[in-house]
Amino acid sequence: AQSVAQPEDQVNVAEGNPLTVKCTYSVSGNPYLFWYVQYPNRGLQFLLKYITGDNLVKGSYGFEAEFNKSQTSFHLKKPSALVSDSALYFCAVRDINLGTNFGNEKLTFGTGTRLTIIP
Amino acid sequence: EPEVTQTPSHQVTQMGQEVILRCVPISNHLYFYWYRQILGQKVEFLVSFYNNEISEKSEIFDDQFSVERPDGSNFTLKIRSTKLEDSAMYFCASSRDRGAYNEQFFGPGTRLTVL
Repeated sequence: AQSVAQPEDQVNVAEGNPLTVKCTYSVSGNPYLFWYVQYPNRGLQFLLKYITGDNLVKGSYGFEAEFNKSQTSFHLKKPSALVSDSALYFCAVRDINLGTNFGNEKLTFGTGTRLTIIP
Repeated sequence: EPEVTQTPSHQVTQMGQEVILRCVPISNHLYFYWYRQILGQKVEFLVSFYNNEISEKSEIFDDQFSVERPDGSNFTLKIRSTKLEDSAMYFCASSRDRGAYNEQFFGPGTRLTVL
């Protein structure tokens, strides 16, 4: 089975400060990890993914995430927060060892973290 | 930038009625998905679809649910006889390629309210 935990329902950060949104995962094999963001009345927008290689991956809008296998974590980070970063953030995982030769197709999501950047 | 679109944005129906939720995936995408999110809960996978066949489905996707690609652009989710517990936000997604490393692109969702 595959699962994701986002331990914080709400994160508040002052504009200009660094931000971190936490995510831990559980898979039986090796993970593919994703971050999505949801703005009001919009769909889930892809931010970044970890497949293999460098543990630090960079994505859209200045976001990055660090894969830590020993801690089974994939925390989302940004060095300097903008008010426009305020949104709902979802971490998701796929177990590459499940499913067909193409891998497990379904994404398993966390419950989401609401990020509020305070001006 | 191409987007996945969904209609309607909000659907209200009576328990026992049939509903059809519509999605237009990104035009060169070949793999399609439905997810749902009950208020306050996780986004949950329902079904994946490729080449006019279901390729994977969850335990939620029972006989009351069906999916179809009726033409070259639309992808639909039908709920045959809605229950109160079907009230949720339903998200359509598509991806260009198959493989667990491919990101899926999501639509804005349809909020289904069953009374």
